[in-house]
Amino acid sequence: GDSVTQMEGPVTLSEEAFLTINCTYTATGYPSLFWYVQYPGEGLQLLLKATKADDKGSNKGFEATYRKETTSFHLEKGSVQVSDSAVYFCALSPNRDDKIIFGKGTRLHILP
Amino acid sequence: EAQVTQNPRYLITVTGKKLTVTCSQNMNHEYMSWYRQDPGLGLRQIYYSMNVEVTDKGDVPEGYKVSRKEKRNFPLILESPSPNQTSLYFCASTGYTEAFFGQGTRLTVV
Repeated sequence: GDSVTQMEGPVTLSEEAFLTINCTYTATGYPSLFWYVQYPGEGLQLLLKATKADDKGSNKGFEATYRKETTSFHLEKGSVQVSDSAVYFCALSPNRDDKIIFGKGTRLHILP
Repeated sequence: EAQVTQNPRYLITVTGKKLTVTCSQNMNHEYMSWYRQDPGLGLRQIYYSMNVEVTDKGDVPEGYKVSRKEKRNFPLILESPSPNQTSLYFCASTGYTEAFFGQGTRLTVV
């Protein structure tokens, strides 16, 4: 069945470091891909999305490119801030009904 | 403003005492779901609903019930809570493949 695999955390970086969180997926057809972020004490919120191959989603300095050939959607940011500390979830929607399948999440700690 | 409201935010209860966690959305979405979040296990779907009076089991439905009598509300019912249901619960409402989440309910069953 459809699934999402993302790198396990926690990931700890210093402020201004480069961030990559890996995400790969298994799906039939042409899913939409997402990154959600969960700040401490809050629910998940959509960070960015891409709906077809080679699309790049971007928001708040974060980027991810939909790579169909490698079935990947890695999250990147050039210079992280302490305020980016959160849990990041990669997700996909098979585009059948509105079901969304989430990865297990990656906790990110940014040190000042 | 698009909103999913769930209540309560925190709840401590005793084993076997029935409880309901409410969830309401204002986006007229047809698809709603409940998740539980546990350390190391990520988000697991408990139940989902594709429309009024249409509900189905997710990945971990045992010990839970839901109802969908009207489009905006999707309550989660624990008829006889047990300690292994201690968790962080999220309601989500999905439209055009984007999911909107409530703030979460932290449930402790003692």
